[in-house]
Amino acid sequence: QSVLTQPPSVSGAPGQRVTISCTGSRSNFGAGYDVHWYQQLPGTAPKLLINGNTNRPSGVPDRFSGSRSGTSASLAITGLQAEDEADYYCQSYDSSLSVVVFGGGTKLTVL
Amino acid sequence: QLQLQESGPGLVKPSETLSLTCNVSGGSINGSPYYWGWIRQPPGKGLEWIGNIYFGGSTYWNPSLKSRVTISVDMSKNQFSLKLRSVTAADTAVYYCGRATGNPYYYGMDVWGQGTTVTVSS
Repeated sequence: QSVLTQPPSVSGAPGQRVTISCTGSRSNFGAGYDVHWYQQLPGTAPKLLINGNTNRPSGVPDRFSGSRSGTSASLAITGLQAEDEADYYCQSYDSSLSVVVFGGGTKLTVL
Repeated sequence: QLQLQESGPGLVKPSETLSLTCNVSGGSINGSPYYWGWIRQPPGKGLEWIGNIYFGGSTYWNPSLKSRVTISVDMSKNQFSLKLRSVTAADTAVYYCGRATGNPYYYGMDVWGQGTTVTVSS
């Protein structure tokens, strides 16, 4: 299983708000390492959504926001749209394993 | 606009060496503070970090792959490469090249190639 734990799936209706959690431990988030979030549309490469816990790269809508607290992090999506249907991954660094780690991914379904 | 493009064989035999190249266009590979790296995704599975390199030579590896991996930079061609030795079926994946906005321990990958599928099979 992944060092960072994500729910396998989440869903929401258009216009709603959803959150995706990413649970870590003392050797990653708890040690102060940042979380980064990616969106992967079917058949495409991942796209950076959030860099360094809360920073949105240019072009990413402000409907996407990130946070990190203690040993967990979360991605929030407001005003859910059909095109948000994708897989979402969190990423950080684990100092105990000395490796960049990803969560197992969460599939977002827009109902 | 920076673009990355992977290239290399789509089929590799077991025990042989997987070799991929990532061509960088629209920007220079010897720019600071960027790190260039590889990530792979087995069919139907999640993302796995392989490693990153800085144009000046600093490298960061996934410990589980370190003994089999070489990542190098060719500044004259503005490209970087991945070599993975002694491959098995478990190395079958889509391989992505990408750019980290700083040390990969602290920063995410903001530019990605489209990915290339590599199958390990005899």
